[in-house]
Amino acid sequence: GAVVSQHPSWVICKSGTSVKIECRSLDFQATTMFWYRQFPKQSLMLMATSNEGSKATYEQGVEKDKFLINHASLTLSTLTVTSAHPEDSSFYICSARPWGQGGNQPQHFGDGTRLSIL
Amino acid sequence: GESVGLHLPTLSVQEGDNSIINCAYSNSASDYFIWYKQESGKGPQFIIDIRSNMDKRQGQRVTVLLNKTVKHLSLQIAATQPGDSAVYFCAETPNTGNQFYFGTGTSLTVIP
Repeated sequence: GAVVSQHPSWVICKSGTSVKIECRSLDFQATTMFWYRQFPKQSLMLMATSNEGSKATYEQGVEKDKFLINHASLTLSTLTVTSAHPEDSSFYICSARPWGQGGNQPQHFGDGTRLSIL
Repeated sequence: GESVGLHLPTLSVQEGDNSIINCAYSNSASDYFIWYKQESGKGPQFIIDIRSNMDKRQGQRVTVLLNKTVKHLSLQIAATQPGDSAVYFCAETPNTGNQFYFGTGTSLTVIP
């Protein structure tokens, strides 16, 4: 159980285009999902917390107009990288925690999206 | 503490030996800790967790030790196998928040 699906797994696009990444919890509901960015051989850096039915909470230094997050349902959050440029190339990973379970629960991660901007 | 953009430390062990991976955290308010394993090109995979009211927890071939006095967490892998080669991250969360903060990570290489 607790499977998180992320799509696409890999995308290459031209500079200036916008790219949407989907994160779905397949067998549980999640009021909160998280978006991370990871550079090669580095740790995961939290970008934002996606809240179902409300605005996302962005970490300091993350441009909210650049990285648009929508969490329209309890099983889907999307991250849109707007007007992407080569410096946005990275590995983006989402995670979710099951809703309604008492006590601490681990986050479950998708398999990430490799974004390459030419 | 929060994740930082440092390059990964590495650990090499012989197949069959035990591995110990360490993690230091800085937030005294953290009360839930998790170890994740990340293979190349994939997302992190849950290994084992521990709550702050415990100092040791065992799973299959893995043991997590928590020392709250010095804010230190370790993951012990018994009889390390080639399939254990990956990057291992510790993560912490405070009891007042929802976010998880990841440590620097350690790259484990198992030598056959």
